[in-house]
Amino acid sequence: LAKTTQPISMDSYEGQEVNITCSHNNIATNDYITWYQQFPSQGPRFIIQGYKTKVTNEVASLFIPADRKSSTLSLPRVSLSDTAVYYCLVGAHGSSNTGKLIFGQGTTLQVKP
Amino acid sequence: DVKVTQSSRYLVKRTGEKVFLECVQDMDHENMFWYRQDPGLGLRLIYFSYDVKMKEKGDIPEGYSVSREKKERFSLILESASTNQTSMYLCASSLSDRGRGQPQHFGDGTRLSIL
Repeated sequence: LAKTTQPISMDSYEGQEVNITCSHNNIATNDYITWYQQFPSQGPRFIIQGYKTKVTNEVASLFIPADRKSSTLSLPRVSLSDTAVYYCLVGAHGSSNTGKLIFGQGTTLQVKP
Repeated sequence: DVKVTQSSRYLVKRTGEKVFLECVQDMDHENMFWYRQDPGLGLRLIYFSYDVKMKEKGDIPEGYSVSREKKERFSLILESASTNQTSMYLCASSLSDRGRGQPQHFGDGTRLSIL
């Protein structure tokens, strides 16, 4: 099972770029890497997903090196509203397999003015 | 937008009671999941289901069971509630994998207290 490790907390200031790295040394061939954001009293919200190299959407970028043993979520120019817990998820799920889903411990990002 | 609805935001029950947590999704997703979330432990998977009447154990299934009689509804059952099951419970759904990872859509959670 691919276990993930991410920093417990990070601080940043408004306008800065934030990079959160997740380590997943035992990632399997068919595993995807997915990041979620969670605000207090809400369920997690999907941010971005990738398999290899780089993925970018309107919210974030995800960098995955060739060995796929880690991944980095990049948030450009953060604002106070980006203060949240960010989870790294590694797993393949669905009716085609019985792979279990692994959430990291989560990184609490605090954005300061 | 996908809507995942959990029947209660807050619930208080007593030790030994049988507790039902209900979850409904409106996007015809094949997969549904139950997690619990505790401070310092993040999200942990209890059970998941990839089809009606199908279920698979997650990382912490002990003390729980599930039911999926209809595609849109996934129920979590605490057969005999105990105080260590006080937690935030989160339901999620996703499309079937079909060889590609699919993001999960979460409800807003049920905060369950067992007294």
